[in-house]
Amino acid sequence: AQTVTQSQPEMSVQEAETVTLSCTYDTSESNYYLFWYKQPPSRQMILVIRQEAYKQQNATENRFSVNFQKAAKSFSLKISDSQLGDTAMYFCASLQGAQKLVFGQGTRLTINP
Amino acid sequence: DTGVSQDPRHKITKRGQNVTFRCDPISEHNRLYWYRQTLGQGPEFLTYFQNEAQLEKSRLLSDRFSAERPKGSFSTLEIQRTEQGDSAMYLCASSLEFAEQYFGPGTRLTVT
Repeated sequence: AQTVTQSQPEMSVQEAETVTLSCTYDTSESNYYLFWYKQPPSRQMILVIRQEAYKQQNATENRFSVNFQKAAKSFSLKISDSQLGDTAMYFCASLQGAQKLVFGQGTRLTINP
Repeated sequence: DTGVSQDPRHKITKRGQNVTFRCDPISEHNRLYWYRQTLGQGPEFLTYFQNEAQLEKSRLLSDRFSAERPKGSFSTLEIQRTEQGDSAMYLCASSLEFAEQYFGPGTRLTVT
């Protein structure tokens, strides 16, 4: 079975700083997808970024980028120029069997003014 | 595009009662998923449908839980004889095949 591990329960940075959230995963599949989702307080889960395992190029979406290290099974999220609205729980997830998402425990990120 | 909707948003029930939740997916999505999320944890997979067929159920889904997706459109999740341990956020998501999943706002269940 796939597992996803986020080792940072909480992080806090100042507005405009850069922050990196860590994620490691374990899978026996040759092709898979990885995601970062954001869940603001009392609001719904939002997709931040997606990475296909067969692509060597790291995905980027505006201020959000990933560092995908396939051999190390590592998938970190970098948020540049952080904003107050980035305050949320961030979940790393892998798509197992092209069907269900397996989530990590989450990292609570706080952006301070 | 109206997104995934769920109803009700909150449900408080007494132990032993039955509850039913509804999820309306994004209209063109053929896959629909149910997850459960407890406080401070990541969501856990419960079950998923492709069109009207329920293709996988987690071991978390006891016999008291049943899900349906008649006609491959909206889905319902029913919990019979609720227990305090069923208190959680129940999330619905939808997707096209082999694509990212989009989540609804969830139904928060409190069993007293």
